[in-house]
Amino acid sequence: QKEVEQNSGPLSVPEGAIASLNCTYSDRGSQSFFWYRQYSGKSPELIMFIYSNGDKEDGRFTAQLNKASQYVSLLIRDSQPSDSATYLCAVRRSGDMRFGAGTRLTVKP
Amino acid sequence: EAQVTQNPRYLITVTGKKLTVTCSQNMNHEYMSWYRQDPGLGLRQIYYSMNVEVTDKGDVPEGYKVSRKEKRNFPLILESPSPNQTSLYFCASSQENTDTQYFGPGTRLTVL
Repeated sequence: QKEVEQNSGPLSVPEGAIASLNCTYSDRGSQSFFWYRQYSGKSPELIMFIYSNGDKEDGRFTAQLNKASQYVSLLIRDSQPSDSATYLCAVRRSGDMRFGAGTRLTVKP
Repeated sequence: EAQVTQNPRYLITVTGKKLTVTCSQNMNHEYMSWYRQDPGLGLRQIYYSMNVEVTDKGDVPEGYKVSRKEKRNFPLILESPSPNQTSLYFCASSQENTDTQYFGPGTRLTVL
């Protein structure tokens, strides 16, 4: 079992819709949870991080964490074609980071 | 401009020829890390460093070495590269006790 699991996709949503990205992790000692966005041929860039159970909102993005279920998700509201990218879920215990393989999102105009 | 730089950006080499990929950051960050990215496997951490002279193994350290003699630099050393180390490598850094990690532009390595 992979430590961080994501659906590889591709996930396709129409412009203006809500995109929902999901991630599960196996290490209950994980302390920090992240969502990165990576455009093709580019470096990952941080979208959000979350530490506590519940929701965290930043603009059109909402991260949700449920430690009991070992589940973290990212919602993208009003999806735009520019949101088309691969989204990487990552968890951190102390200094070590574990990434999922990523979900490819396509937003169709 | 605050940034993480890596050199070289592209490298083709042959099995067994030692190489070093440099990583430098100008943000005075304590934490630095190396990752490799392979299709279908995502990013996997090779080594990380919480501060100068402190390094720890990540998920896939075999075949790699690192050193952290200065705060700004964190080179990745492949003593005897093999074809299975063909990959895209990223260096990253962040301020201590924060989780905003900044990634370098990547180094595409091919080992023949």
